Amino acid sequence: QLQLQESGPGLVKPSETLSLTCTVSGGSISSRNYYWVWIRQPPGKGLEWIGSIFYSGTTYYNPSLKSRVTISVDTPKNQFSLKLSSVTAADTAVYYCARRIAVAGIIDDWGQGTLVTVSS
Amino acid sequence: DIQMTQSPSTLSASVGDRVTITCRASQSISSWLAWYQQKPGKAPKLLIYKASSLESGVPSRFSGSGSGTEFTLTISSLQPDDFATYYCQQYNGYSLTFGGGTKVEIK
Repeated sequence: QLQLQESGPGLVKPSETLSLTCTVSGGSISSRNYYWVWIRQPPGKGLEWIGSIFYSGTTYYNPSLKSRVTISVDTPKNQFSLKLSSVTAADTAVYYCARRIAVAGIIDDWGQGTLVTVSS
Repeated sequence: DIQMTQSPSTLSASVGDRVTITCRASQSISSWLAWYQQKPGKAPKLLIYKASSLESGVPSRFSGSGSGTEFTLTISSLQPDDFATYYCQQYNGYSLTFGGGTKVEIK
């Protein structure tokens, strides 16, 4: 049974960098069958794809966030990470890590999500 | 970028009602569309993929249809457990886009 768990600070100051890590257990992050994804959801609002990474390190980002986002993978630790720079209150959201089936494109497993608040 | 527009944004219905939610893509996405159900405080759950394929374990009262730019999610007989928010999502290529969501409320 695959499990994804987000970790990182729940409070970030404006203009600083938000950093989260997703630890994958019960499966290998090095599988060619999957992309690893970050998605966020502001309180009371809809879902927004942030970006995806393949085990090789190939990344794809949402154009609206691309200038501020970096996603990386650590295969020995079975983890992938998100960095979002120059945050504002608009970046306050529940951040989910998830697994996307590479060919089918669907997201079949999600972490529980972690709330990150941007505030001074 | 492909934009996804869902309607309605809120839907009030009673147990036993037939419910239909619509999702429109800004350009053709063939059948590369999924539907998710989300309950408060929980991650979304996959219901339908490739526009009309039912995910394993999902009740048969859920069905999806459409291709190109117009898609629908239908719940044939609404059950108490179905009151939730539903999202469509396109996956035509490497990017993903979600619709704005449809909240199904108790009438």
